[in-house]
Amino acid sequence: NAGVTQTPKFRVLKTGQSMTLLCAQDMNHEYMYWYRQDPGMGLRLIHYSVGEGTTAKGEVPDGYNVSRLKKQNFLLGLESAAPSQTSVYFCASSYPGWRSNQPQHFGDGTRLSIL
Amino acid sequence: AQSVAQPEDQVNVAEGNPLTVKCTYSVSGNPYLFWYVQYPNRGLQFLLKYITGDNLVKGSYGFEAEFNKSQTSFHLKKPSALVSDSALYFCAVRDRWSDYKLSFGAGTTVTVRA
Repeated sequence: NAGVTQTPKFRVLKTGQSMTLLCAQDMNHEYMYWYRQDPGMGLRLIHYSVGEGTTAKGEVPDGYNVSRLKKQNFLLGLESAAPSQTSVYFCASSYPGWRSNQPQHFGDGTRLSIL
Repeated sequence: AQSVAQPEDQVNVAEGNPLTVKCTYSVSGNPYLFWYVQYPNRGLQFLLKYITGDNLVKGSYGFEAEFNKSQTSFHLKKPSALVSDSALYFCAVRDRWSDYKLSFGAGTTVTVRA
């Protein structure tokens, strides 16, 4: 009963370094999402995917890229990390939009610090 | 456009007392409404949702929420709070015709003192 699994759980980067956050879900969900959580701001959508091979921009996409090569995986990349990207990153998955009354399921997050 | 407001950053209650966490929303169409809870160093966990029908929705861990269309509110309630209910609570809204977009409030930190 893994649900949504995120790796790594913690990471510290230096400004300008790159990294990839991995999200895996075992619920056969079509839709997957990447959010960032900052104090007092709730969750903001970075990118999302409505199916394998498709991605789209959310509210705050600048500085991030994503890929969905397999249905169960959704990768978030930071090409050149900046201190403003220090945050907690959450991956979520859900059934398709036409079943939008179903909740999104979240991973436990990746805590990322950029020095 | 859709948005959620949680007017209280923090709510403090004594164990055994009623707990209310407030939420108001704005959508152009009919809403789907959700409450999530987040414990320290964990992801968001689904508590309950309003889709249609009865305005009083019951969810996990003894929580319930009341949908009020005229006041565009969806307040979360628990008749008798427990210390273990201390957590961060998020209200979220989706327009019924939206394909994917879920908008979250800023969150309310609940502290239940023994």
